[in-house]
Amino acid sequence: AQSVTQLDSHVSVSEGTPVLLRCNYSSSYSPSLFWYVQHPNKGLQLLLKYTSAATLVKGINGFEAEFKKSETSFHLTKPSAHMSDAAEYFCVVSDSRNLIFGKGTKLSVKP
Amino acid sequence: DTAVSQTPKYLVTQMGNDKSIKCEQNLGHDTMYWYKQDSKKFLKIMFSYNNKELIINETVPNRFSPKSPDKAHLNLHINSLELGDSAVYFCASSGTGTGYTFGSGTRLTVV
Repeated sequence: AQSVTQLDSHVSVSEGTPVLLRCNYSSSYSPSLFWYVQHPNKGLQLLLKYTSAATLVKGINGFEAEFKKSETSFHLTKPSAHMSDAAEYFCVVSDSRNLIFGKGTKLSVKP
Repeated sequence: DTAVSQTPKYLVTQMGNDKSIKCEQNLGHDTMYWYKQDSKKFLKIMFSYNNKELIINETVPNRFSPKSPDKAHLNLHINSLELGDSAVYFCASSGTGTGYTFGSGTRLTVV
């Protein structure tokens, strides 16, 4: 069965410092992996997706994620956090029938 | 020109009432979904329909009944509402080779 584990429920960074949100996946075959962002009281927005074309995936708003099969990881990074990045982030795996969500990581950005 | 639209955005109702949430997509996708996001932000699949046919029906109380009159619409009807039904409900759609597009959510509050 497919699953994802987000290793941190809450990450706090200062504005201008790097962001790292960690995600490990479990899959019996080559997975399709996604990162979604949810701003407070808003819907879900796709940040980026991995579908085996390239291990380093670039997304919107300066985010990127690297697929590492040896570590079964798909961590999300950004070089410099903005206040507007404060939101809930979800690591997601597709099992061909639907999306399976991690429990989410809340990112706080301090001025 | 909204891709996936849900109505209403907010719904406050008393226990025991029956209510419906509507969802429409104009992307030409074949598959539509209902996800539930609980108070801890956890998102889980409830139902999915492919071209009006039910393909995923997770362990959801019988009080929840999805209806898909055509492949562009997937409505969610809930009978005898309970306090525990309070959540945000997201509609989504997907097509072959395309990603998932989510609606902006319906926040249901049962009082």
